[in-house]
Amino acid sequence: EPEVTQTPSHQVTQMGQEVILRCVPISNHLYFYWYRQILGQKVEFLVSFYNNEISEKSEIFDDQFSVERPDGSNFTLKIRSTKLEDSAMYFCASRRSPRGGSSYNEQFFGPGTRLTVL
Amino acid sequence: ELKVEQNPLFLSMQEGKNYTIYCNYSTTSDRLYWYRQDPGKSLESLFVLLSNGAVKQEGRLMASLDTKARLSTLHITAAVHDLSATYFCAVDPAGSRLTFGEGTQLTVNP
Repeated sequence: EPEVTQTPSHQVTQMGQEVILRCVPISNHLYFYWYRQILGQKVEFLVSFYNNEISEKSEIFDDQFSVERPDGSNFTLKIRSTKLEDSAMYFCASRRSPRGGSSYNEQFFGPGTRLTVL
Repeated sequence: ELKVEQNPLFLSMQEGKNYTIYCNYSTTSDRLYWYRQDPGKSLESLFVLLSNGAVKQEGRLMASLDTKARLSTLHITAAVHDLSATYFCAVDPAGSRLTFGEGTQLTVNP
């Protein structure tokens, strides 16, 4: 069964360093998302991406964050200068389409990257 | 701003018992999703509800959606230990981002 994959599973970095989190969405999906979950809290939306551009972003997604689809398969989240409060689990998700039935609408989540900023 | 509220946030129940988790949301939406999360793991999709009155069942779990009341329920029948996890509802009114509830941490005791 197709699945969303993410690398690395765990990233430890020093405050102020840049990190790139990588995701490979499901191959026939067109909509891509990043979410984050601070330990013990709810899942928060960061950004959505469609047709090679950002379609929506939250107030969390400030100038320190960027997303890119550098080739036909990878979808990346870059944090330019990490802060302690960026420590969280970052989930990538993909969806085929927001129209149509359940199988099209469902957002499938990757296993996550645990980011620890020291 | 869309608000999604779940209750209870913590639920400890005995095996074999029934219980319901509630999810209220503040903006009109006919799309609601339920996810399960085990500790340290990702989000596993349980149900996709796309219309008023939608009801879906999988094993001991049944989810329903009342868009007029802006309410979804996740009913657990004859709970077993394997159902212990955190359950999230999420709403997607515009077909874009998911807005999640705070999660319900379910513990099923033998």
